[in-house]
Amino acid sequence: GAVVSQHPSWVICKSGTSVKIECRSLDFQATTMFWYRQFPKQSLMLMATSNEGSKATYEQGVEKDKFLINHASLTLSTLTVTSAHPEDSSFYICSARRPPDTQYFGPGTRLTVL
Amino acid sequence: QQQVKQSPQSLIVQKGGISIINCAYENTAFDYFPWYQQFPGKGPALLIAIRPDVSEKKEGRFTISFNKSAKQFSLHIMDSQPGDSATYFCAARAGTASKLTFGTGTRLQVTL
Repeated sequence: GAVVSQHPSWVICKSGTSVKIECRSLDFQATTMFWYRQFPKQSLMLMATSNEGSKATYEQGVEKDKFLINHASLTLSTLTVTSAHPEDSSFYICSARRPPDTQYFGPGTRLTVL
Repeated sequence: QQQVKQSPQSLIVQKGGISIINCAYENTAFDYFPWYQQFPGKGPALLIAIRPDVSEKKEGRFTISFNKSAKQFSLHIMDSQPGDSATYFCAARAGTASKLTFGTGTRLQVTL
């Protein structure tokens, strides 16, 4: 299957700092990427849909000023958690849609905010 | 109407047995039904997917059965192995530009 990478795989930061997570589609161009959040033993919760060259579409209840998403190229999307707090600690997973419609997921990033 | 209901929540199967996970949906606009496998601490991996124009799709030990009239689809894992122990998510989507709607997941444990 197609390869989607994420970096970093885990990050620990202090409360109040910002953290950037990168998502790359390695062997295809993805006009659409998605960002999910997953709590332990729960399903995936879509945070936002990112389209290359345009603003991200956020799901209801997701603060767009806190979770900044940039999709600068067809192979790279970034999620920046601004002014992180302990409640932002979670497993963040990106996904990229390979045309026409198959969706592949990255390995995830474990964020711990102290 | 956007929900996908998945059952069971957890499943224990002996090695060599058949694991069956079921999903049901209401939205008749759904036209793509993938299954994902997720190991702890990892992202979901696409296992197999089906579209409503076929009733069954098989890839190796994994088979999707699809019942359009009942609005149900299921994943069958034949000859289940301990390495299959993971969480499985069904999903559905209405159109290529739409987002995936996920089921709640099934934790499968395959015992020796």
